[in-house]
Amino acid sequence: DIVMTQPPDSLAVSLGERATINCKSSQSVFNSFNNKNYLAWYQRKPGQPPKLLFYWASTRESGVPDRFSGRGSGTDFTLTINSLQAEDVAVYYCQQYYNLPFTFGPGTKVEIK
Amino acid sequence: EVQLVESGGALVQPGGSLRLTCAASGFTFSNYSLDWVRLAPGKGLEWISYMSQTGSIIYYADSVKGRFTVSRDNAKNSLYLQMKSLRADDTGLYYCVRDKGDFGWFDPWGQGTPVTVSS
Repeated sequence: DIVMTQPPDSLAVSLGERATINCKSSQSVFNSFNNKNYLAWYQRKPGQPPKLLFYWASTRESGVPDRFSGRGSGTDFTLTINSLQAEDVAVYYCQQYYNLPFTFGPGTKVEIK
Repeated sequence: EVQLVESGGALVQPGGSLRLTCAASGFTFSNYSLDWVRLAPGKGLEWISYMSQTGSIIYYADSVKGRFTVSRDNAKNSLYLQMKSLRADDTGLYYCVRDKGDFGWFDPWGQGTPVTVSS
C-alpha cells in the first residue's frame, strides 16, 4: 500500500498569512505515460463531509477560491492557502489514486493563530 | 444539485450485520463509479470499496474483504453496502462518494451515516 504522510499534524496561521500543508507518498504517484500525478486534496470543515479541492495534484476543482493552490510531483506535494481566511479553518487531506487501495494522509488541521 | 444521502447506520453488536444505502440525485447515476469511504474516530479517512458504473468491477480494502459486499441498482439510483461480521474497528462515519475521476478522486461526498459496533 502507498502510505501518505502529512507533517505536521496541525499548524496555526494568522489571518491573511500563508498556510503551507505538506503531503508525502511512500512511492511515486507520477505516471510518465500521461504525465500526471495521481493525487487529490480535500478540505473537511467541522461537522461537514470532505470537499474536493484539487485533483491531478494541481487542477483546481470548480468553485475553489484561487487563494488555494496545489503543486508537487512524484512523492512530495504541497497545498498552499494564500491569505488565510477564517472560513479556511479545517482539516486538509491528501489522497493518492495511483494504486489500490486508495489511501489518504492523516490530515493536517489548520487553525487561526 | 448533485447529492448523495446515506442511511442505515446504527448501533450493532460485534458479529452483527448492517446494510447501508446511498441515494443519489442530481446526476446520471449510471454514468459514474462509486465508492465507500469511512472516517473512524481518532483515525483518518479509509477507502472501503469501489464499484464501476455497471457493477462489473468491484474492489475492496483488505480490512473488509470477505465481510462487506457492495452493490448498486442503477434503476433506483442507489448504492448499497452490506456489512457482516462487524467488529469494533468498523466503527465510524461511512461516506458514499462519487468517483468523479472514474477511478480516483471523490466528489461529492454524502453527509455520512454513523456505524457503531459495540456490545
